Amino acid sequence: AQSVTQLDSQVPVFEEAPVELRCNYSSSVSVYLFWYVQYPNQGLQLLLKYLSGSTLVKGINGFEAEFNKSQTSFHLRKPSVHISDTAEYFCAVRANSNSGYALNFGKGTSLLVTP
Amino acid sequence: DVKVTQSSRYLVKRTGEKVFLECVQDMDHENMFWYRQDPGLGLRLIYFSYDVKMKEKGDIPEGYSVSREKKERFSLILESASTNQTSMYLCASSTTRGVRRQYFGPGTRLTVL
Repeated sequence: AQSVTQLDSQVPVFEEAPVELRCNYSSSVSVYLFWYVQYPNQGLQLLLKYLSGSTLVKGINGFEAEFNKSQTSFHLRKPSVHISDTAEYFCAVRANSNSGYALNFGKGTSLLVTP
Repeated sequence: DVKVTQSSRYLVKRTGEKVFLECVQDMDHENMFWYRQDPGLGLRLIYFSYDVKMKEKGDIPEGYSVSREKKERFSLILESASTNQTSMYLCASSTTRGVRRQYFGPGTRLTVL
C-alpha cells in the first residue's frame, strides 16, 4: 500500500516570500504523485503531477515540485507567494499499476499568506 | 470543460434521518469516488465504484452505503445519520486509462444535529 505524510499542518508566510510544502511518501512499487489545492469553500483542483521522466514538475499558478526517489519526497515550492495562494494543499499518491484506482491523500497543509 | 457536480453545497439533517448525497459527472468516467474530509485528517476514502452497479469499500465505509445505477451518477447514502458523520463530503471521478487523474466536485458540507 502507498501512504503520504505531509510534514507541516500549517505554514504561515508573508506575501512575496518563498514557500516549501513538504511531502514524503511510502511505497514498495513505482508511484504517481500529485499535489491538489483546495481554496476556501471549494473542491480540490489539481496543481501538478509526477508520472515519470524529469524530476522537476511545473504546475499551475507558478508552483513546482521535485520528485526525489532516494528521499521518497515530493516537496511543493513557489518562489514568491501571493495572498490568493492561501488555501489547503494536499499531496497524494497512487501506485503506478493497472490495478490501482484510488488516491491516498496526506492530511493537508494549510498555507496562510499574510501581507 | 470537465464537470463534477454535487446536489447540495450545504445540508443540515437530524440524527437518525436517512441522507442521500448525489454526485453527477459529465465526462463519461468509469471510476467515481466518495471521500470524507475532516480537519487534521485529510481526505479519507469511503467508497468507490469502477463501473455501473460495481462498488468497493474504501478506508471508512462503516455507516455508509452507495448506489451507482447509471454511469454518470454516484450516490452516497447515510442510512441513519449520526452526529459523527458531520463533515465535508467530496465526490470525484476519473477515467480508467493512463494516469486516472481525479476530478473533484465542490463538496457538500453536511451537519447532523
